Amino acid sequence: DTGVSQDPRHKITKRGQNVTFRCDPISEHNRLYWYRQTLGQGPEFLTYFQNEAQLEKSRLLSDRFSAERPKGSFSTLEIQRTEQGDSAMYLCASGTSGRDTQYFGPGTRLTVL
Amino acid sequence: QKEVEQNSGPLSVPEGAIASLNCTYSDRGSQSFFWYRQYSGKSPELIMSIYSNGDKEDGRFTAQLNKASQYVSLLIRDSQPSDSATYLCAVTSGGGAQKLVFGQGTRLTINP
Repeated sequence: DTGVSQDPRHKITKRGQNVTFRCDPISEHNRLYWYRQTLGQGPEFLTYFQNEAQLEKSRLLSDRFSAERPKGSFSTLEIQRTEQGDSAMYLCASGTSGRDTQYFGPGTRLTVL
Repeated sequence: QKEVEQNSGPLSVPEGAIASLNCTYSDRGSQSFFWYRQYSGKSPELIMSIYSNGDKEDGRFTAQLNKASQYVSLLIRDSQPSDSATYLCAVTSGGGAQKLVFGQGTRLTINP
């Protein structure tokens, strides 16, 4: 049983560029979550998928952010026209319906210069 | 008022002693409560979950829940230097998504 994986682990980009992150959940998990964590804070919820349907988005998720989970398996999170304030750790977690437990991947650390 | 509040610390405890971490939450509809451990530069790792009032023990860890007081705690017995980390309290927000709402974390240092 492999855990949640994320790619890349680190991304450095210049302001204004677009970036895309990938998350592969635990194989039997139908729920997938994205969170963002800045230094000294706990993770903050961004969005949630059940299977391929995106069922909830946080107000934190501006129009520059988009997430997909096209076949109910892996998910991508894209940030367009990155800003320095987007610098953070982007965490993916997965879980199953009927259980609240979420397991986190290793995260993608984004640095916007 | 933040939805989930923790003492940010740092909390310093001698090796072998009991470390006590506290968390309060504001949403009375929350049903599930979790403690995650996060080492510097790493992602959160689930260490305890608790769903009903009372104590739940797992090895050196004991989680305590009091829904009337909206209070969750984590006790770490026989603290080891490897327990030095940030501990995050998380609460489900209710509704279908069951998204987690986190506190800001308590940084714990175990002194040899």
